[in-house]
Amino acid sequence: QVQLVESGGGVVQPGRSLRLSCVASGVSLRTYDMDWVRQAPGKGLEWVAAVSHDGRGEYYSDAVKGRFTISRDNANNTIYLQMNSVRPEDTAFYFCVRNILIGFIGRHYYYGLDVWGQGTTVTVSS
Amino acid sequence: DIQMTQSPSSLAASVGDTVTITCRASQNIGVYLNWYKHKVGKAPKLLIYAASSLQTGVPSRFSGSGSGTEFTLAITSLQPEDFATYYCQQTHSNPSLSFGGGTKVEI
Repeated sequence: QVQLVESGGGVVQPGRSLRLSCVASGVSLRTYDMDWVRQAPGKGLEWVAAVSHDGRGEYYSDAVKGRFTISRDNANNTIYLQMNSVRPEDTAFYFCVRNILIGFIGRHYYYGLDVWGQGTTVTVSS
Repeated sequence: DIQMTQSPSSLAASVGDTVTITCRASQNIGVYLNWYKHKVGKAPKLLIYAASSLQTGVPSRFSGSGSGTEFTLAITSLQPEDFATYYCQQTHSNPSLSFGGGTKVEI
């Protein structure tokens, strides 16, 4: 059974840094793109960042671009989110998610977020 | 960036009802549209991909339709376990993704 387990969350002061980790079991992540998605208190889901299967491609939402860095260690089946210069608005529950090719229809490829971790909480507060 | 807008933000329904949720994209996304169900304290679950294809294991009372900029999720014969928040998500600009604001289906 595929499982993703996040860690590294906690309380951090504005302007400081935090690194989240996501370890996978039951599957090798090396062939999958991986994402981070967050949910602020009382808010909806917000896509944060993605990393390609080989780590060469990194993609970010405008809200975190320039402050967060996503990376991966395929040898250790781990995904990271380095969060620098954090802000109160970064306070959220952070999910690690697998982005998978789900379907090939009419010569088009379709992707979806099929496996989610249970999440880790980040609170930015002085 | 592609903006996704859902309506309504919440709705009240009873077991056995049929509910529909609308999702609109800020530009033409073809059928690059997924739907997720999220219950508090649980990981979100992928229900539908490519606007209308049911993910493996998802009950047939869930259905999706639409293309371009307007999409609909319908749930027929609402069950107790269906009370949750539902999100649409565009994958047209994958790997850069975006979600709608969510629709909470309440009793």
